[in-house]
Amino acid sequence: GQQVMQIPQYQHVQEGEDFTTYCNSSTTLSNIQWYKQRPGGHPVFLIQLVKSGEVKKQKRLTFQFGEAKKNSSLHITATQTTDVGTYFCRADDKIIFGKGTRLHILP
Amino acid sequence: EAQVTQNPRYLITVTGKKLTVTCSQNMNHEYMSWYRQDPGLGLRQIYYSMNVEVTDKGDVPEGYKVSRKEKRNFPLILESPSPNQTSLYFCASSLIGTGALNQPQHFGDGTRLSIL
Repeated sequence: GQQVMQIPQYQHVQEGEDFTTYCNSSTTLSNIQWYKQRPGGHPVFLIQLVKSGEVKKQKRLTFQFGEAKKNSSLHITATQTTDVGTYFCRADDKIIFGKGTRLHILP
Repeated sequence: EAQVTQNPRYLITVTGKKLTVTCSQNMNHEYMSWYRQDPGLGLRQIYYSMNVEVTDKGDVPEGYKVSRKEKRNFPLILESPSPNQTSLYFCASSLIGTGALNQPQHFGDGTRLSIL
């Protein structure tokens, strides 16, 4: 069945460094969503991408949807301690979530 | 306030003792779903419902039951819980997406179940 692979599984960065997580699919996706889950919390919707090559920004977060609509990335510029958590991608109408990337920030 | 409410938040119980985790949403969403979250495995869908009286299996339905008798409620039932069902459970709801516009999921705060 359709799967989405999310890499890396874990990432430790120094505060102020950049961070990127990737979501890859073997099939073309009609859309992709990104969620953030803080430690001890529940997933919260961040953004949705629909168009090929689409780029959206939310302050220090940049989201991209690949030209072939098979992959997506979330990039955080100059990480802060508030960015700690697990970032999930969710693909298509089958409601498939990636396994998530857990971000740790070292002060 | 728009929200998804799960109860209980925490439960420790024993093998074989039937339990129900309730989920209620006040956003008039058609779609509701249950997930379990385990370390290293992410969010795995257990069951989902597209509307009242319509339920379907997700990726890991074994050992679980659900019902959707009312639009706002979607309880998760463990008829005979076993230790391998110890997990963090999330209920979520959304509108039904059309075409390429999938709808954002709204999650409850989670229920941590421990089956001894």
